Amino acid sequence: KAGVTQTPRYLIKTRGQQVTLSCSPISGHRSVSWYQQTPGQGLQFLFEYFSETQRNKGNFPGRFSGRQFSNSRSEMNVSTLELGDSALYLCASSLTMGSTTNEKLFFGSGTQLSVL
Amino acid sequence: AQTVTQSQPEMSVQEAETVTLSCTYDTSENNYYLFWYKQPPSRQMILVIRQEAYKQQNATENRFSVNFQKAAKSFSLKISDSQLGDTAMYFCAFMKQSNAGGTSYGKLTFGQGTILTVHP
Repeated sequence: KAGVTQTPRYLIKTRGQQVTLSCSPISGHRSVSWYQQTPGQGLQFLFEYFSETQRNKGNFPGRFSGRQFSNSRSEMNVSTLELGDSALYLCASSLTMGSTTNEKLFFGSGTQLSVL
Repeated sequence: AQTVTQSQPEMSVQEAETVTLSCTYDTSENNYYLFWYKQPPSRQMILVIRQEAYKQQNATENRFSVNFQKAAKSFSLKISDSQLGDTAMYFCAFMKQSNAGGTSYGKLTFGQGTILTVHP
């Protein structure tokens, strides 16, 4: 069974541009969540989607948005990029939203975004 | 809001020895989960072990075990018989259980991480 797939692995953008990152969850998983990882702020929760609906949102500005498609694949978009948006963006998937015993959250390898 | 604190930025251990990583957390919730994740240089986060707050028994997974002290809000990870492949960044994480009894499984609060190096 394929794991969580994130594309692209690396991305270089300039300030003011926008970017779209993609996440394909494990087959059958319906929940997808996104995290930003930086050396200064560590790992911070961005948002979580389940059945195409945003269920939770972290404390990020409106420039950060996401969506989930009917096949559970998810995208996140960052508009008007700032230097501080340079980070590793991690996606994770789970079968449901934790309603089953021993459910696990599986992470992808991330997309490294550099904003110049 | 929840906070998770890992007070050891870096740790090192000799191969085959035992090491303990510390984690404390602050929450007003009574029902929650705690996790330890490992992030090797490949950057992929890998679940090491999970603890349900309502369980008094400490979780174990092969060479990995936790010491969960709910009253003290402490959740340390013990790695026995350390191996070179254990070298990684380790993150402690918290997830609260919703009042409806369900769980938002994707919303984790992470600590700052501990870099563990296992020396041959």
